[in-house]
Amino acid sequence: GENVEQHPSTLSVQEGDSAVIKCTYSDSASNYFPWYKQELGKRPQLIIDIRSNVGEKKDQRIAVTLNKTAKHFSLHITETQPEDSAVYFCAASGSYQLTFGKGTKLSVIP
Amino acid sequence: KAGVTQTPRYLIKTRGQQVTLSCSPISGHRSVSWYQQTPGQGLQFLFEYFSETQRNKGNFPGRFSGRQFSNSRSEMNVSTLELGDSALYLCASSLGRGGDTDTQYFGPGTRLTVL
Repeated sequence: GENVEQHPSTLSVQEGDSAVIKCTYSDSASNYFPWYKQELGKRPQLIIDIRSNVGEKKDQRIAVTLNKTAKHFSLHITETQPEDSAVYFCAASGSYQLTFGKGTKLSVIP
Repeated sequence: KAGVTQTPRYLIKTRGQQVTLSCSPISGHRSVSWYQQTPGQGLQFLFEYFSETQRNKGNFPGRFSGRQFSNSRSEMNVSTLELGDSALYLCASSLGRGGDTDTQYFGPGTRLTVL
């Protein structure tokens, strides 16, 4: 089955700096890659997603890149703010299921 | 449009008991997926239902089961509870028309504690 590796597990950045989280997946048939943000005690919220026919997608301060050949995708957050502090999960979709990475705890230091 | 809802939000059970959790998807969504979230294992896929049919199942023992009703509401059941079943159980709904590439929206979860 699909396996998703996510790095780093924790990340601390100064407010205003950029943050990058990387994921690799194993199943070349996976074709949809969402990213979720989960604040403490809350549900995971979709922040951005990308489909396999696209190499990059951007939404304001958030961007995702996908390299299908290398089977990896990344989340980029620019101009980080304290409210960006949360756990971020990447996922890969195939066979009617999402396989998640273990998560990255992002701390933005004011 | 109302979001995904789950009931109950919190449950405390003892070992050996069984439990049923409920999930109501976003109106118009026909696919419901269930996940178990624990600090050590992260988010793990349990099963997915579409139009009352289970389309996929994760690597969980047979004690974990689910079903979906004609109105797309879904329930999951865990029998003979073990301490290790303590977790946050999340359901997510999607339209279901796009198959693998549907966006999934999560409910608030049910926090299950097994004593």
